[in-house]
Amino acid sequence: QVQLKESGPGLVQPSETLSLTCTVSGFSLTSYSVSWVRQPSGKGPEWMGRMWYDGDTAYNSALKSRLSISRDTSKNQVFLKMNSLQTDDTGTYYCTREDGYDVMDAWGQGASVTVSS
Amino acid sequence: DIVLTQSPALAVSLGQRATISCRASQSVSISRYNLMHWYQQKPGQQPKLLIYRASNLASGIPARFSGSGSGTDFTLTINPVQADDIATYYCQQSRESPFTFGSGTKLEIK
Repeated sequence: QVQLKESGPGLVQPSETLSLTCTVSGFSLTSYSVSWVRQPSGKGPEWMGRMWYDGDTAYNSALKSRLSISRDTSKNQVFLKMNSLQTDDTGTYYCTREDGYDVMDAWGQGASVTVSS
Repeated sequence: DIVLTQSPALAVSLGQRATISCRASQSVSISRYNLMHWYQQKPGQQPKLLIYRASNLASGIPARFSGSGSGTDFTLTINPVQADDIATYYCQQSRESPFTFGSGTKLEIK
């Protein structure tokens, strides 16, 4: 059974760094890519970036200067770090599994992040 | 970036057909592949894949959902609409990075 679960702090101070972990089960990180997607409340999702199955990364150019995605295959975990957070970074952050054709076929339950002092 | 445009809301009666459209600012098709996908999101839940590559039903999705289209114009059809289908529906393209989503169409019951 394919599962993804996000974890991390629910509250982040403005200008600080967000760190999230996606723990996966039911599939291998060396066979499937994992993307991070965020969604402000009441708005459409935004693709943030991806950890390719081969360890390479790709980022949304709008976030690239602030964003870093990494992984630990031995722990089945993918990590997101984004710095210089502002209030408009508030929302729900999801990790998703991608099939071989860039389709997000499984999603985690999401991690709610609020940027506030 | 490729912009995907959806109507904000659609009201239909139970048992009737719902047609949700998505228009891309440029073609999202490559050769025979139409790189448009559809997701359903219910309140408080994560999005769920319904249709991939324009017309392929995802695993476990009822056959009353179908998709069509190519190039810049795509459609998600639900027929017949059931009460459990009340949700927001998003299209998403994977033709070009960054992958982008539409702003969603909220399906309401008339």
